[in-house]
Amino acid sequence: QVQLQESGPGVVNPSETLSLTCGVSGYPVGNGYYWGWIRQTPGKGLEWIGVTYPYRNTYYNPSLNSRVTISIDMARNQFSLKLTSVTAADTAVYYCVRSRTGVTTAPFDYWGQGTLVTVSS
Amino acid sequence: QSALTQPPSASGSPGQSITISCTGTSSDVGGYDYVSWYQQHPGKAPKLTIYEVTKRPSGVPDRFSGSKSGNTASLTVSGLQAEDEADYYCSSYAGNNILLFGGGTKLTVL
Repeated sequence: QVQLQESGPGVVNPSETLSLTCGVSGYPVGNGYYWGWIRQTPGKGLEWIGVTYPYRNTYYNPSLNSRVTISIDMARNQFSLKLTSVTAADTAVYYCVRSRTGVTTAPFDYWGQGTLVTVSS
Repeated sequence: QSALTQPPSASGSPGQSITISCTGTSSDVGGYDYVSWYQQHPGKAPKLTIYEVTKRPSGVPDRFSGSKSGNTASLTVSGLQAEDEADYYCSSYAGNNILLFGGGTKLTVL
């Protein structure tokens, strides 16, 4: 059974970098599928951040493209999110996800439990 | 790209049917048959309920169905049950490897 678990700081200072990791169990991240991040804020609902496919492409939300990086660590069977120059608007619950199939149009059928990140000094 | 448009709330009595709409444009909902719906209970992660407009993942009751007409997709829940009370989000492929979500609809079972 595939399980995803987010980890990282719950509070990040404004202008600094938000870094989260998603640990995966039950499936090797290098064996395929898109792995990505989605966030949820009270005011804006769900927002797609981006996805990455092992040894292939990575795609980002154009509104975040210049600040976001998603990468895979196959040795540790995990993937990560980095979001630079954060502001209060980046305060959200961040979910890591896996796609249902190996195409970019696929929905997400595995989700982590979510982790709240607050941007505040 | 703008978020997809959903009504903020919907309600129905047990046993009734309710339909939630999701309106986009010809560049997303209307242009691709890659609309999904997610159900989210309070404090939980979203759960895939419908994908590719009409398909149900295994384990999802057949009371849940999806459809699309033009730039608007719809989720219908038939025979409403108390456990269907949740937030529902639509999403659509928008081309260029981009995904959009709707703002969410809070479904209340009266």
